[in-house]
Amino acid sequence: KAGVTQTPRYLIKTRGQQVTLSCSPISGHRSVSWYQQTPGQGLQFLFEYFSETQRNKGNFPGRFSGRQFSNSRSEMNVSTLELGDSALYLCASSPRTSTNTGELFFGEGSRLTVL
Amino acid sequence: DAKTTQPTSMDCAEGRAANLPCNHSTISGNEYVYWYRQIHSQGPQYIIHGLKNNETNEMASLIITEDRKSSTLILPHATLRDTAVYYCIVRVSAAGNKLTFGGGTRVLVKP
Repeated sequence: KAGVTQTPRYLIKTRGQQVTLSCSPISGHRSVSWYQQTPGQGLQFLFEYFSETQRNKGNFPGRFSGRQFSNSRSEMNVSTLELGDSALYLCASSPRTSTNTGELFFGEGSRLTVL
Repeated sequence: DAKTTQPTSMDCAEGRAANLPCNHSTISGNEYVYWYRQIHSQGPQYIIHGLKNNETNEMASLIITEDRKSSTLILPHATLRDTAVYYCIVRVSAAGNKLTFGGGTRVLVKP
C-alpha cells in the first residue's frame, strides 16, 4: 500500500509569491491534515479536511488555506509568502476523523524556502 | 489539550531498554496519551497510544501511572535506527486529527 505522497519535495520561492503544495493520502483514507514544522515553533497544526470539508483549523493567518478534492487528495496554498513561512510542510492522512486511534500517517513533507 | 513535559534529550546504549518519561499532570479523564517519533528528515511516525491501561505493540510498551499524570514509553531493545525525536501528546478523541506537539525528547542510541 503506497504511503502519503507529497509534492513537490523541495521548492524555493521569493517573498510575495504564492505556493501550492499537494498531498495524496493513503488509498481509502478520507481525512487529511496539514502541519508546519520550523526550528523555532516546532510542529504546528494547520488544518484538517474530511470529505472535502474543513473540520478543524489551527492558529495561522488567512494567507494559509487548503482544500480537499472528492478523491481525498488535498492541496494547501500560502499566499504573499514571508520569510517566516520557510518550513517543512507535512501532510498526514487517516481513515476518518474524530477517531480515538489517533494514528496519523505522515508524508515526508515539502520543504519550502522563502528568499 | 493537556500540556506535556518531556526531557529535552537522552542517550541510550544499543541493545538496552530505553525508558522515555512524560509528565501530563493536567490530563483530563477523556484524554488519551499518544507517542510519535520523528527520525531525521522524515515525517512523524505513530508508535502507540493508551487511555488508562498499559499497552504493548511490536514497537514499544506504554506504561501509564494509575493517576494518569505521567507515562513512560519503553523501547525494549534500542537499535541505532531508534535515534529520533520522541513526542508525547495528550489528546481527546473528539479533537479529530489535530495533534499538539511539544518539543519532544531527542533520543540518541549509541553503539
